[in-house]
Amino acid sequence: QKEVEQDPGPLSVPEGAIVSLNCTYSNSAFQYFMWYRQYSRKGPELLMYTYSSGNKEDGRFTAQVDKSSKYISLFIRDSQPSDSATYLCAMNTGNQFYFGTGTSLTVIP
Amino acid sequence: EAEVAQSPRYKITEKSQAVAFWCDPISGHATLYWYRQILGQGPELLVQFQDESVVDDSQLPKDRFSAERLKGVDSTLKIQPAELGDSAMYLCASSRDRATQETQYFGPGTRLLVL
Repeated sequence: QKEVEQDPGPLSVPEGAIVSLNCTYSNSAFQYFMWYRQYSRKGPELLMYTYSSGNKEDGRFTAQVDKSSKYISLFIRDSQPSDSATYLCAMNTGNQFYFGTGTSLTVIP
Repeated sequence: EAEVAQSPRYKITEKSQAVAFWCDPISGHATLYWYRQILGQGPELLVQFQDESVVDDSQLPKDRFSAERLKGVDSTLKIQPAELGDSAMYLCASSRDRATQETQYFGPGTRLLVL
């Protein structure tokens, strides 16, 4: 079993839709949770970072962590064509990072 | 805003040749990571440095890959000889230190194609 599981998609939504991206994990030692956005042929860009259960909001983006269920989510409100990218979840035990395989998102104008 | 720099951005080489990638982390970042990312997959850690010391190279194919960070600042990743299966994106990332409350920031990557 992989440390981090992420549905690769692809996910296609109309502009303005609410997008939900999810990852599950198996290691209870994970303390820190991150979401990265990666445009084609570019390096990952840090979007959200949190270290506790609950919600963290930044503009149109909300990161949600449920440690009891070992489940994290990223919500994108009012999605835009510029949000079209691959979204990677990542987790950190404090010593080592683990990445999901990424979910490919396309927002259709 | 400070960024991680990498060069070259693209590299095409023939198998059995040597290739080298360079990374300059964000100023003041003590921890530096090299990742390999195959299309459609997440980054895979190759080597992690704390200052000039290697702290994790368990996934580095040491028969052909080497990495150094001699002065604890910039770093070089080398492949010799390159194989067809090495075609991938090579990403460098840095974080302030290994303490638990820090995350990492990525450079733009070097896309390698081995023919």
